[in-house]
Amino acid sequence: GQQVMQIPQYQHVQEGEDFTTYCNSSTTLSNIQWYKQRPGGHPVFLIQLVKSGEVKKQKRLTFQFGEAKKNSSLHITATQTTDVGTYFCAGAGDYKLSFGAGTTVTVRA
Amino acid sequence: DTGVSQDPRHKITKRGQNVTFRCDPISEHNRLYWYRQTLGQGPEFLTYFQNEAQLEKSRLLSDRFSAERPKGSFSTLEIQRTEQGDSAMYLCASSLAWGGTNTDTQYFGPGTRLTVL
Repeated sequence: GQQVMQIPQYQHVQEGEDFTTYCNSSTTLSNIQWYKQRPGGHPVFLIQLVKSGEVKKQKRLTFQFGEAKKNSSLHITATQTTDVGTYFCAGAGDYKLSFGAGTTVTVRA
Repeated sequence: DTGVSQDPRHKITKRGQNVTFRCDPISEHNRLYWYRQTLGQGPEFLTYFQNEAQLEKSRLLSDRFSAERPKGSFSTLEIQRTEQGDSAMYLCASSLAWGGTNTDTQYFGPGTRLTVL
């Protein structure tokens, strides 16, 4: 079955720094979705990428879908304390989402 | 609030008891999904409905688990003879799908946290 891996599992960032989290799938994806889950909360949809090589930006967040549609990345610039949480990528194959284990981000002021 | 709602938010039960959770999706959403999430992991797919039809069930969904969506609106997830390993957050999500779209944006509810003692 489809497996989605995310690295790193934990990201401890100095406020103001940039970081990137990566997502890799064992199979080609029809699309990939990114979610953010705050501590004690539920996953909240951030973005969906559909096209090969697609890049989308949301303020300080840049999302990219690989050319082979098997990997994706999320890059956050100038990290703020509001960025704290776990970021999940979810690969879409056949009607359901396969989530990675997430990258948990903590920020030191 | 017109988002996905789940009830109860927390459930503590003793091993061997039956529990039932309810999910109310976003109005007009035709797809409804159930996921399970344990600490440090991403949500794992359990099952999904298109309207009232249950179209897919994960192998994670043992015969102690049953889900229904009788009128194509709210859904229930029942766990019979609960085990300690069932302790997790049970998340419901809904989406609006057109025609043959493969996947669509899923909106998650707040979840029901189950603790089995």
